Amino acid sequence: EIVLTQSPGTLSLSPGERGTLFCRASQYVNNRFLAWYQQKPGQAPRLLIYGASNRATGIPARFSGSGSGTDFSLTINRVEPEDFAVYHCQQYGDPPWTFGQGTKVDIK
Amino acid sequence: QLQLQESGPGLVKPSETLSLTCTVSGASISSSGYYWGWIRQPPGEGLEWIGSISHTGSTWYNPSVKWRATVSVDTSRNQISLSLMSMTAADTAVYFCVRGGRYSDQSTYYFDFWGQGVLVTVSS
Repeated sequence: EIVLTQSPGTLSLSPGERGTLFCRASQYVNNRFLAWYQQKPGQAPRLLIYGASNRATGIPARFSGSGSGTDFSLTINRVEPEDFAVYHCQQYGDPPWTFGQGTKVDIK
Repeated sequence: QLQLQESGPGLVKPSETLSLTCTVSGASISSSGYYWGWIRQPPGEGLEWIGSISHTGSTWYNPSVKWRATVSVDTSRNQISLSLMSMTAADTAVYFCVRGGRYSDQSTYYFDFWGQGVLVTVSS
């Protein structure tokens, strides 16, 4: 199975700053089939990005995804207070579908 | 508005079988053309996909739980279910019901709708 490793484990940002989260796959992810989710405490994850760079319905433009092959990233431009959460990547290029361990974005 | 609602016991004894149900509202499972499935998250840990089922009954499972897990669909009640045998403490987790992509279109096999989740604790 494809193992996804996210870095850093925790990213400390001040509101208004830009931050980038990384997701590295142990094998090539077919067709850029990679998604990102945001999860706040006590809530279910919310889909942010699919196909490595496509924003899901209703997701603000400050969230952007990029990458291909084994290296992917999620950038949050001008972090807002509601963006402090845990972010998960997921690949759906090769079953079983797998997730990274998560990156926590907290307030500096 | 599509909504998914999980239900089931919050406490299961070791070696017993977990049975969870997800009621889907706002869409018909039988005519949706989508996969529906289950994902779990142990406390403080990451997410693990368990398995998915299509409106036709076609199933996919994660090999990590395959021999213990069964995902089924009841189209008359618009529900999907998860049965997980031989529960151990390692199965303690929040279990989420999810929508998992259009049938036969792998480009959509991400999870765009989630239930709120149900915490299942395995303890005697």
